[in-house]
Amino acid sequence: GAVVSQHPSWVICKSGTSVKIECRSLDFQATTMFWYRQFPKQSLMLMATSNEGSKATYEQGVEKDKFLINHASLTLSTLTVTSAHPEDSSFYICSARSGGRATGELFFGEGSRLTVL
Amino acid sequence: GENVEQHPSTLSVQEGDSAVIKCTYSDSASNYFPWYKQELGKRPQLIIDIRSNVGEKKDQRIAVTLNKTAKHFSLHITETQPEDSAVYFCAASRPRDDKIIFGKGTRLHILP
Repeated sequence: GAVVSQHPSWVICKSGTSVKIECRSLDFQATTMFWYRQFPKQSLMLMATSNEGSKATYEQGVEKDKFLINHASLTLSTLTVTSAHPEDSSFYICSARSGGRATGELFFGEGSRLTVL
Repeated sequence: GENVEQHPSTLSVQEGDSAVIKCTYSDSASNYFPWYKQELGKRPQLIIDIRSNVGEKKDQRIAVTLNKTAKHFSLHITETQPEDSAVYFCAASRPRDDKIIFGKGTRLHILP
């Protein structure tokens, strides 16, 4: 299947700093990528839809100034958690669809575990 | 927006028995329903999916059924094995915005 790679896998930062997470589609082009957040033993909560060459679409309740998304190329989307606080500690996972809507399957990155001290 | 409900949240079955997980969705426009398996600390992996033009799909020990009228779909795992222990998520997607919305997950324990 298609490969989505996410980096870094683990990141620990101090409160008030910003953290950037990268999501790459390695063997296909993704005009759309999705960012999810997952708390321990909970579901995948969709945060935003990242659109190549345009602004991201955020879900209700997600602060766009807090979670900056950039999708500058067909293979890379980045999520920047700005001025991180302990409550931002979570598992962030990106995903992308290969082959467009007709295929449908969503491939996930490995996820990035953020711990804010 | 779309809302996906999943039950049960936890399920324990004896090895060799069958497991059934049920989901309902709210948006009748949704037309794609994947199921994902997530093992501890790993990324979700697609195990089976079904589209709204099909009522049932089977892949070896795994099957999914869809009732569009009632807006519910189910995952069936037969002859369960220890490696089936994981968290399973159902999801729904609609063509309008291409988003995939997940249920809250079911933690499946296969008992020896």
